[in-house]
Amino acid sequence: DTGVSQDPRHKITKRGQNVTFRCDPISEHNRLYWYRQTLGQGPEFLTYFQNEAQLEKSRLLSDRFSAERPKGSFSTLEIQRTEQGDSAMYLCASSPGQGLIPNPTDTQYFGPGTRLTVL
Amino acid sequence: AQKITQTQPGMFVQEKEAVTLDCTYDTSDQSYGLFWYKQPSSGEMIFLIYQGSYDEQNATEGRYSLNFQKARKSANLVISASQLGDSAMYFCAMRELGNQFYFGTGTSLTVIP
Repeated sequence: DTGVSQDPRHKITKRGQNVTFRCDPISEHNRLYWYRQTLGQGPEFLTYFQNEAQLEKSRLLSDRFSAERPKGSFSTLEIQRTEQGDSAMYLCASSPGQGLIPNPTDTQYFGPGTRLTVL
Repeated sequence: AQKITQTQPGMFVQEKEAVTLDCTYDTSDQSYGLFWYKQPSSGEMIFLIYQGSYDEQNATEGRYSLNFQKARKSANLVISASQLGDSAMYFCAMRELGNQFYFGTGTSLTVIP
């Protein structure tokens, strides 16, 4: 039983460079979430996919950020023209949930995260 | 207004004792779900326990229980018989009628031998 995996685990880049992160959710999980977590804070919601459809994006997700989930399986998060303020842990989570009404299947299972450092 | 408030930045507990981590939430929805996660120093978020707004009984999972007081909008996590491995950050989270999850700022728990 494999969990959520993320790649790479660590990324160091120079300001202005583009970076791309990958997330492989638990198989057959319909929902996939991206979060950003900075030191001393809880995860902040970035975006959400129901299968291949990106249904919601946070205002935190500027134009430099783009996420895809082309076949409803793995997802990528790209940050263009990185800034030092983008330095954070980027977490991916998946859940089997369906429907609008909150229920136990909303439980999200998180990957180990990708720690981004922008120099 | 914050959706999730965790007022205890840090807590200490003696090994084998019980500890309560506080969480209050803000929502006007009738249907919502409440979650607690543990984040060890390794960074991975680990699901602990779930409480639905319509659940009449408090949720329990092993040594974890959720003290759900709907009228007060509180969902405190109780850890019984603390172990050294319980030392970690603990986050309370909520999902309303929508797709966003809201997390609190977390409580750092240290278990003292």
